[in-house]
Amino acid sequence: EAGVAQSPRYKIIEKRQSVAFWCNPISGHATLYWYQQILGQGPKLLIQFQNNGVVDDSQLPKDRFSAERLKGVDSTLKIQPAKLEDSAVYLCASSSGNRGRIGTDTQYFGPGTRLTVL
Amino acid sequence: AQSVTQLGSHVSVSEGALVLLRCNYSSSVPPYLFWYVQYPNQGLQLLLKYTSAATLVKGINGFEAEFKKSETSFHLTKPSAHMSDAAEYFCAVNGGYQKVTFGTGTKLQVIP
Repeated sequence: EAGVAQSPRYKIIEKRQSVAFWCNPISGHATLYWYQQILGQGPKLLIQFQNNGVVDDSQLPKDRFSAERLKGVDSTLKIQPAKLEDSAVYLCASSSGNRGRIGTDTQYFGPGTRLTVL
Repeated sequence: AQSVTQLGSHVSVSEGALVLLRCNYSSSVPPYLFWYVQYPNQGLQLLLKYTSAATLVKGINGFEAEFKKSETSFHLTKPSAHMSDAAEYFCAVNGGYQKVTFGTGTKLQVIP
């Protein structure tokens, strides 16, 4: 079974530029997550999709970050314009989306995209 | 609210020694608790998960964790550390919200 795919793996941009990250979850997984992991910290949830609907985006800086999950499969996270403090690893994860309590099923993580903003 | 606190951002053990990584949680409802491991330049991988069944949970690579409600703890242990266990470990909680909250992580160093 193929895992969660992310691209690019690394990205270096100047502040105020735009950047986009792509994620392809495990086939059949209904739930998709984007996390921001700043060096030395744990992952922070940015946005969570259930199929193509948003479950939680309370920590997404909506003035500069946007995400979409068209057709309930792959997803794109965009930053426009980037700030220095956006330097981090952006992790995508997916889970099957079981019928139990939302947020309790096992998440499978991609390798992440390391973003450096200069 | 839901949160986790991981005591000790860095832990060093000798190869063959007991590994103990501490995690305390806060939850307004019976929690689901997780331990994930992250190797350098990789994503996170689930080690084990507590889902309100047995309080002692066994995971992969010889790790286990015990849920103690009275202490609001979910510490991770392994009887004998291997060099390959060197990684960063994250505790996480689902406390009734529709998401998981991760701790700040503990880096485990294994000394030969």
